[in-house]
Amino acid sequence: GQQVMQIPQYQHVQEGEDFTTYCNSSTTLSNIQWYKQRPGGHPVFLIQLVKSGEVKKQKRLTFQFGEAKKNSSLHITATQTTDVGTYFCAGYPTSGTYKYIFGTGTRLKVLA
Amino acid sequence: DTEVTQTPKHLVMGMTNKKSLKCEQHMGHRAMYWYKQKAKKPPELMFVYSYEKLSINESVPSRFSPECPNSSLLNLHLHALQPEDSALYLCASSQADRGKTQYFGPGTRLLVL
Repeated sequence: GQQVMQIPQYQHVQEGEDFTTYCNSSTTLSNIQWYKQRPGGHPVFLIQLVKSGEVKKQKRLTFQFGEAKKNSSLHITATQTTDVGTYFCAGYPTSGTYKYIFGTGTRLKVLA
Repeated sequence: DTEVTQTPKHLVMGMTNKKSLKCEQHMGHRAMYWYKQKAKKPPELMFVYSYEKLSINESVPSRFSPECPNSSLLNLHLHALQPEDSALYLCASSQADRGKTQYFGPGTRLLVL
């Protein structure tokens, strides 16, 4: 079946260090979305990427969509304690299903 | 306004109880979703409603019964649940059901005893 894997599963960083999570799909995607879920919270929409090779920035966050539209990354520069949470990608396949496939998630812990 | 509201926030129920979860959005979205999320796992899709009609049922057991009374409201009726059904139940909505941004509500934390 269609799958979206994320690596790493966990990441502990010192405050101020950079962080990257990678998302890899078994199938080509129409678009990909990124969500952040704080501990005890719910997924909050961050961004949607649609175009091949697209790069978008939100302050310290940089999102990329691969040229083949099968992978994506989220990079956080100079992490802060407020970045703690689980980051999920969710890909929408070009065919085979009419639903988003969520990635396995990367749990980020930032040590002050 | 990208707000989806859900009630109740927390629910404890016995295996013989009947309860309902409610979800509401006023963004004019025509697609609404129920997801189930276990701890440390991604959300799992349960149901999709598009223009108030059920369009996707991910082989969910019949003890979960969704209802969409109108385009702003989505209910999930629960009956004879099992302890393994304890989870965070998330509602989401989007402009349409094909690849549009989904906005999640805060969820209902359900504990089945």
